[in-house]
Amino acid sequence: GAVVSQHPSRVICKSGTSVKIECRSLDFQATTMFWYRQFPKQSLMLMATSNEGSKATYEQGVEKDKFLINHASLTLSTLTVTSAHPEDSSFYICSAPEGGLATNEKLFFGSGTQLSVL
Amino acid sequence: AQKITQTQPGMFVQEKEAVTLDCTYDTSDQSYGLFWYKQPSSGEMIFLIYQGSYDEQNATEGRYSLNFQKARKSANLVISASQLGDSAMYFCAMREGKAGGTSYGKLTFGQGTILTVHP
Repeated sequence: GAVVSQHPSRVICKSGTSVKIECRSLDFQATTMFWYRQFPKQSLMLMATSNEGSKATYEQGVEKDKFLINHASLTLSTLTVTSAHPEDSSFYICSAPEGGLATNEKLFFGSGTQLSVL
Repeated sequence: AQKITQTQPGMFVQEKEAVTLDCTYDTSDQSYGLFWYKQPSSGEMIFLIYQGSYDEQNATEGRYSLNFQKARKSANLVISASQLGDSAMYFCAMREGKAGGTSYGKLTFGQGTILTVHP
């Protein structure tokens, strides 16, 4: 099946610094990718939809200036957590539909990034 | 309103036995898709099975089958012959809308069920 690669898998940073997380589709083109956030033992909550060549679409309550999304190519989307604070500590995970948005194909997920802000 | 509901926070099953994980959903769309994912402690989301709203037959993938009851809006996951490696968090998720829409790939997840398989 299709592979979505996400890096880093774990990052620890100091409060106030910015952290970039990459999500890459390895064997297919992804014009759209989705970013989710998950707190321990809880469900995944959609943060934003990343669109290649255009602005991301953010879900209600998600600060777009805090969580910068860039989808510069058909295989790469990045999420940058700017001026990170301890409350931003969470598990971030991306997903991409293999066949684009015009099919019923499976949605594949990256392996996730555990962010810890000290 | 909760769109996906998993009412079992935790489930226990004996190795080699079958187990059913419950999932109910709510949507006004005629076209939607239902997914089950497995999330082990490593955090990765492993796709298990997919059921489209227009699929007449229940989906099956190896030891996984989806008991789709459209009128009841339920999409329960059945795992047959449980293995120790099946111990994980399981999520039911729904994708709404028609293919081609700008938000078609968005998933709404249930709260999850932690499955523990005992030897």
